[in-house]
Amino acid sequence: KQEVTQIPAALSVPEGENLVLNCSFTDSAIYNLQWFRQDPGKGLTSLLLIQSSQREQTSGRLNASLDKSSGRSTLYIAASQPGDSATYLCAVAFYNKLIFGAGTRLAVHP
Amino acid sequence: GAVVSQHPSRVICKSGTSVKIECRSLDFQATTMFWYRQFPKQSLMLMATSNEGSKATYEQGVEKDKFLINHASLTLSTLTVTSAHPEDSSFYICGVTRASPGAEAFFGQGTRLTVV
Repeated sequence: KQEVTQIPAALSVPEGENLVLNCSFTDSAIYNLQWFRQDPGKGLTSLLLIQSSQREQTSGRLNASLDKSSGRSTLYIAASQPGDSATYLCAVAFYNKLIFGAGTRLAVHP
Repeated sequence: GAVVSQHPSRVICKSGTSVKIECRSLDFQATTMFWYRQFPKQSLMLMATSNEGSKATYEQGVEKDKFLINHASLTLSTLTVTSAHPEDSSFYICGVTRASPGAEAFFGQGTRLTVV
């Protein structure tokens, strides 16, 4: 059974810091990995998609890496801002399923 | 990204009644749709995966007779919570994707169900 784990569960940082969120998964036979953002009581916003054959993807201040063989992905957020405060979820896609980690709740304070 | 519309966004129903939640893919043909429920401050738990024109595949522990999923077209899937009870109160959210491996998934805004 595929399990997805995210560390840390919560993170509080001052504005401007660079930070790394971690995601690990137990089964390396994945199609892709996606990082999402969820604001309280809201739906999910897709941030980055990494195909299983890729090593990293970048979008603005966000960079996500994937090491499929070790079952790990990281989301790097540069120069964090208060507007980045949200829960960040990673999701692993494998045959006919998309499994989420428990998320990292990020708070960026001014 | 794709636009996914989920309706209603909030619903309150009486215990024992049934509630239908719609998930529409507005700008692409979603061959696969996922349904999740999310308890407060917890992650999304996959309930079932539905492929257009075939029966949904339910996760272990999810009662298929209680959570009826219909994926009748490439743009619409519905989740019906039958004979709802207070413990069914939760945030339900759908995700859509194309069938090709590695396709990106997009999500609706979710439905907050409260059973009183």
